[in-house]
Amino acid sequence: DVKVTQSSRYLVKRTGEKVFLECVQDMDHENMFWYRQDPGLGLRLIYFSYDVKMKEKGDIPEGYSVSREKKERFSLILESASTNQTSMYLCASRGLGVDTQYFGPGTRLTVL
Amino acid sequence: AQSVTQPDIHITVSEGASLELRCNYSYGATPYLFWYVQSPGQGLQLLLKYFSGDTLVQGIKGFEAEFKRSQSSFNLRKPSVHWSDAAEYFCAVDRDDKIIFGKGTRLHILP
Repeated sequence: DVKVTQSSRYLVKRTGEKVFLECVQDMDHENMFWYRQDPGLGLRLIYFSYDVKMKEKGDIPEGYSVSREKKERFSLILESASTNQTSMYLCASRGLGVDTQYFGPGTRLTVL
Repeated sequence: AQSVTQPDIHITVSEGASLELRCNYSYGATPYLFWYVQSPGQGLQLLLKYFSGDTLVQGIKGFEAEFKRSQSSFNLRKPSVHWSDAAEYFCAVDRDDKIIFGKGTRLHILP
């Protein structure tokens, strides 16, 4: 079974803090993704990585950065958290070609 | 760039009635298309996908979807809904190897 795990299910941080969200997949997938999910807005792509140390901006990258030092791990970084980044964050991975995308359980982040 | 449109934010149907959820896409001549479901408090689950071939695709839980190139649509259907189908449904398209999602349709079931 494909497994995508995220380091925390719930996280509470203060405005201005640096926040790290970690995602690990065990299927040797090349592609990994970070989305945020907000009511009425669906899932919006923040960043995408197609290989180690390779990244590409998604539709809403502002205020975020990412790191992919190892194939199995993809980190989302909020350099200085703000209240408008309170959201559910979903990580996903996908193999090459037309493979299915697999999602982690999500991290619900609250920024106070 | 908007790639997927789900025109209905909420839909309410009676248990046992048929269901059709609409999805229109605006990317690619031969798109790769998906439908996902998210039950309350649960993660995303793939219902079905279309890559090529037969335009009527069968998925899990009794769902099917039909790809219509002329209408740029990929509507999801189920002949008879169950109360457990109450959830949020997302249509998605592969855009340059990135899966882009619509805003979702929340399905409510009347007993």
